[in-house]
Amino acid sequence: QVQLVQSGAEVKKPGASVKVSCKASGYTFTDYYMHWVRQAPGQGLEWMGWINPNSGGTNYAQKFQGRVTMTTDTSITTAYMELNRLKSDDTAVYYCARTFGAGVALDAFDIWGQGTVVTVSS
Amino acid sequence: QLVLTQSPSTSASLGASVKLTCTLSSGHSTYAIAWHQQQPEKGPRYLMKLHSDGSHTKGDGIPDRFSGSSSGAERYLTISSLQSEDEADYYCQTWGTGMGVFGGGTKLTVL
Repeated sequence: QVQLVQSGAEVKKPGASVKVSCKASGYTFTDYYMHWVRQAPGQGLEWMGWINPNSGGTNYAQKFQGRVTMTTDTSITTAYMELNRLKSDDTAVYYCARTFGAGVALDAFDIWGQGTVVTVSS
Repeated sequence: QLVLTQSPSTSASLGASVKLTCTLSSGHSTYAIAWHQQQPEKGPRYLMKLHSDGSHTKGDGIPDRFSGSSSGAERYLTISSLQSEDEADYYCQTWGTGMGVFGGGTKLTVL
C-alpha cells in the first residue's frame, strides 16, 4: 500500500543541523510532489515547503528560506528535509506529506508520514 | 492573503452529529480545501478533499459518517453518529500563491 515512513527521533543542540528522511513506497515516487509540515508541542500544523521529486524543484515558506533544504534521492524513493541553525523553537514533530494529484505542486495532502520528533536543547 | 479560520473547540454527545466549519478569507471563496483528523498522540490523517460545489473525495477507509459540504466561503465537515474515537483535532488545509495553508484546528470533545 501507499505509505511514507520517516526516520527516527533526533536530539540536537542549538546551532546544529538536522536531516529527516521520508521513504515512499507503493506508488511512482517521481509522479507526486512531496511537502513538509511541522507541529510544535501543543500547536497547530505549519507548512514548510515542497519538492518536486521529478525535477528537484523546490518552494519554501518564507519563514524557512535560507535555513531549509529539501532534496530527494529517486534511486531509493526517499525525500529529505534538512533544517540548519536550529533554535529551541524548532522543537517539533516534522511530517512529510504527499499531494493528492499527480504532477500537481499544490493540492490536498492525502498521505502523511508518521512524523519525526526533533528536540533542540542545550 | 489566503487564511483559513476555524473555531478552537467544540463538543457533542456520543451518538449525536456535529458540524465543523472552516472559513476561507475574502476573495478566496472558490478554493477547495482538505480536512484532516489528528487523534491524540497521532499524526494527521486525510479525511477528504472538498470543493466549492460541495463535491468531495474521501480517503481510503473513511467511514460514511464523515461528509463534507460547502456554502460560499465556508467549508463544512459533518460527523454523524459520533463515536469516542472521533475525539480529535480537525484541521482544514488549502493551497494557493505557491504555498500551503492550514487553519488553526478545531478540538472536538465527545461527551
